[in-house]
Amino acid sequence: NAGVTQTPKFRILKIGQSMTLQCTQDMNHNYMYWYRQDPGMGLKLIYYSVGAGITDKGEVPNGYNVSRSTTEDFPLRLELAAPSQTSVYFCASNTLTGTSGNTIYFGEGSWLTVV
Amino acid sequence: DAKTTQPNSMESNEEEPVHLPCNHSTISGTDYIHWYRQLPSQGPEYVIHGLTSNVNNRMASLAIAEDRKSSTLILHRATLRDAAVYYCILSRRIQGAQKLVFGQGTRLTINP
Repeated sequence: NAGVTQTPKFRILKIGQSMTLQCTQDMNHNYMYWYRQDPGMGLKLIYYSVGAGITDKGEVPNGYNVSRSTTEDFPLRLELAAPSQTSVYFCASNTLTGTSGNTIYFGEGSWLTVV
Repeated sequence: DAKTTQPNSMESNEEEPVHLPCNHSTISGTDYIHWYRQLPSQGPEYVIHGLTSNVNNRMASLAIAEDRKSSTLILHRATLRDAAVYYCILSRRIQGAQKLVFGQGTRLTINP
């Protein structure tokens, strides 16, 4: 069972570079999320999407962009990377239907270092 | 967003019950109480959730105070694999999406 898949798992970026973190889910979930987690802290919501073509800002959206062209994919774009964006990034998804309607499924994380 | 308060760390012994407390005095009537746990170098994993009544599943039990201002996650018989950071989260639906606001969680250590 694939669930939520994130790539890459590890990446080192130089200041000012751009990159895209990929996220795909195979559970036909409407809702998808991007979180970041700094060392020793809980997760903070960056962006979320309630369906294809619909995205909205979370708690810490500055420096990031997202798109949702299909139900399965929810890429996170970092423009002009800064050291403050060094973090672990988690993609997640859920649906409102069925017995697991309140369960959010997380990917394994992408470790990003900006130097 | 409503906040939760948890102890930074707790310690227990293998095969003993563990009670993880959480305070959420500013909870609103529509907030669900969720618990997730995070093992080292992994994404958070759903444990249990509830609204008003106590809940049981194969992983744990959730006891919710009558005024809903506090709750307790109960692991009935801890194993070494239960060592993780446990997050108590109030979940509110925005346009149907579940916005989880994570605190720092409780780091649970299990002694063999």
